[in-house]
Amino acid sequence: NAGVTQTPKFQVLKTGQSMTLQCAQDMNHEYMSWYRQDPGMGLRLIHYSVGAGITDQGEVPNGYNVSRSTTEDFPLRLLSAAPSQTSVYFCASSAAGTGGRKLFFGSGTQLSVL
Amino acid sequence: AQTVTQSQPEMSVQEAETVTLSCTYDTSESNYYLFWYKQPPSRQMILVIRQEAYKQQNATENRFSVNFQKAAKSFSLKISDSQLGDTAMYFCAFPGASGNQFYFGTGTSLTVIP
Repeated sequence: NAGVTQTPKFQVLKTGQSMTLQCAQDMNHEYMSWYRQDPGMGLRLIHYSVGAGITDQGEVPNGYNVSRSTTEDFPLRLLSAAPSQTSVYFCASSAAGTGGRKLFFGSGTQLSVL
Repeated sequence: AQTVTQSQPEMSVQEAETVTLSCTYDTSESNYYLFWYKQPPSRQMILVIRQEAYKQQNATENRFSVNFQKAAKSFSLKISDSQLGDTAMYFCAFPGASGNQFYFGTGTSLTVIP
């Protein structure tokens, strides 16, 4: 059971570079989301999707783009990386339904922007 | 605004003892869910326990239980018979009114001392 797969696990970027963090799930989950985790800040929601073709902003969306062309994949794009985007990024998915559903998390991506 | 507050950045407990982690939240909703997630040094996010607000009975999962005080908007996690493997960061989480925007507290770093 693969669950939620994130790639890469580690990445170093220079300011201004672009990159895409990949997230894929094999559980046929309709809901997918991206979080960033910073020391002392907990996890903060960047973007989320409730199904293919549907995305919405979370708490900290600036500087990030997402799209959802398939149920399985939900990539996160940094168009012009900034040092403030240095963080650990988590992708999470869950089945459709009410707010009581469990989130399944990927193993995280450690991103450093120099 | 919907927020989650964890006021204990760090805690420690002796092995086999009991410890309680605090969480308060703010919402105008009447029915909702609350969660505790655990993040060990491996960085993996693991669901510990879930509580539905309309249920009077506090949730219990083996050595983990909650003290849910709806009127006070308090949701504390009690860990009994603490084990070395309980050493982790613990996050309180609330899915928000729509159930799609999860809000996490800033976390409590728990260390179990042998």
